[in-house]
Amino acid sequence: NAGVMQNPRHLVRRRGQEARLRCSPMKGHSHVYWYRQLPEEGLKFMVYLQKENIIDESGMPKERFSAEFPKEGPSILRIQQVVRGDSAAYFCASSPDLQNREQYFGPGTRLTVT
Amino acid sequence: GENVEQHPSTLSVQEGDSAVIKCTYSDSASNYFPWYKQELGKRPQLIIDIRSNVGEKKDQRIAVTLNKTAKHFSLHITETQPEDSAVYFCAPGKAAGNKLTFGGGTRVLVKP
Repeated sequence: NAGVMQNPRHLVRRRGQEARLRCSPMKGHSHVYWYRQLPEEGLKFMVYLQKENIIDESGMPKERFSAEFPKEGPSILRIQQVVRGDSAAYFCASSPDLQNREQYFGPGTRLTVT
Repeated sequence: GENVEQHPSTLSVQEGDSAVIKCTYSDSASNYFPWYKQELGKRPQLIIDIRSNVGEKKDQRIAVTLNKTAKHFSLHITETQPEDSAVYFCAPGKAAGNKLTFGGGTRVLVKP
């Protein structure tokens, strides 16, 4: 049973470019969460999605950031017109249902904006 | 929103000693209390969690205790080993929504 998968593991973008981060949840998991971690800090919640629905995007910046979890395929976190402050590790987590609640994390995507 | 604090921020212990990390939270609606371990450059890994209907849970050398009245819960590691060296995060959450609010982390160093 494969765990949560994220790709790419490392991503380098120049300022102004777009970054696309992908997350495939564990098999049987229908809930996906995205978190951002700056160096030497804790993880900060960004967005919570179920298939085709955004449930909670209270932690996501209003501009340049968007997320989706289509019926087929991985969840995508998109950052448009990246700036140096977007450099961070982006982790996604998945869980099977609300009753269970355990979240299992992927290996993360380390985004570097030059 | 939820305000989460961990203490201490760094903890150095001798191998074989115990380590205790405390997490305080502000939202009385929180009822799920996990602890995650993160090694350098790796993903956070769930090591133990507790629900609000129990006060203590133990798994081998690791235990979590919850004081819901005082709004804090603690991670206890006994007989520490060098491989316990990592950053530990508490991340309380509510029943609905599942958003976890992470503390700032505690860097634990176990000296051989």
